[in-house]
Amino acid sequence: AQSVTQLGSHVSVSEGALVLLRCNYSSSVPPYLFWYVQYPNQGLQLLLKYTSAATLVKGINGFEAEFKKSETSFHLTKPSAHMSDAAEYFCAVSESGTYKYIFGTGTRLKVLA
Amino acid sequence: DTGVSQDPRHKITKRGQNVTFRCDPISEHNRLYWYRQTLGQGPEFLTYFQNEAQLEKSRLLSDRFSAERPKGSFSTLEIQRTEQGDSAMYLCASSEIRARHTEAFFGQGTRLTVV
Repeated sequence: AQSVTQLGSHVSVSEGALVLLRCNYSSSVPPYLFWYVQYPNQGLQLLLKYTSAATLVKGINGFEAEFKKSETSFHLTKPSAHMSDAAEYFCAVSESGTYKYIFGTGTRLKVLA
Repeated sequence: DTGVSQDPRHKITKRGQNVTFRCDPISEHNRLYWYRQTLGQGPEFLTYFQNEAQLEKSRLLSDRFSAERPKGSFSTLEIQRTEQGDSAMYLCASSEIRARHTEAFFGQGTRLTVV
């Protein structure tokens, strides 16, 4: 069975500092991996996705993530945090070619002025 | 196209009442999904349609829940005899069918509060 673990339900960073949000996955087949962002009372917006092409994936708003099979990780990073990055971030996994996402429990990012 | 649209955005209902939510997917998308998100959790898969066919239902979808997608366009999710445990955000998403996997696009959700 597939699963996703997000370490750290809350992360605080100073404005301009590095953002690192952790995601580890478990999958018996090659996974497709996603990061979504959710602002208060809003739906989910895709930040980036890994679909077995390049292991370093660049997304919107300056975010990127690196797929590391040996570590079963797909951590999300951004070199310099902005106040507008404050939101909840979800990592998700799905089997290749399927439609059903398994989401992590989310990480709430707080950006300090 | 304005994306996935859900109506209503908020619903407060008394325990035991029935509620119905609507989702309008992106027009060219033939896959449609319903998820439920409770406070402090990630979204959980409920059910999935390809065109008008409901292809999978989660165990979370008890017999009080029913979803339809007539004519393969909009979808409705009905909850009968609501319980306080049904309070959650209900998210709809849609996607295309392609040779390679594509992401799902989510609506803004319907927040249900059962009092």
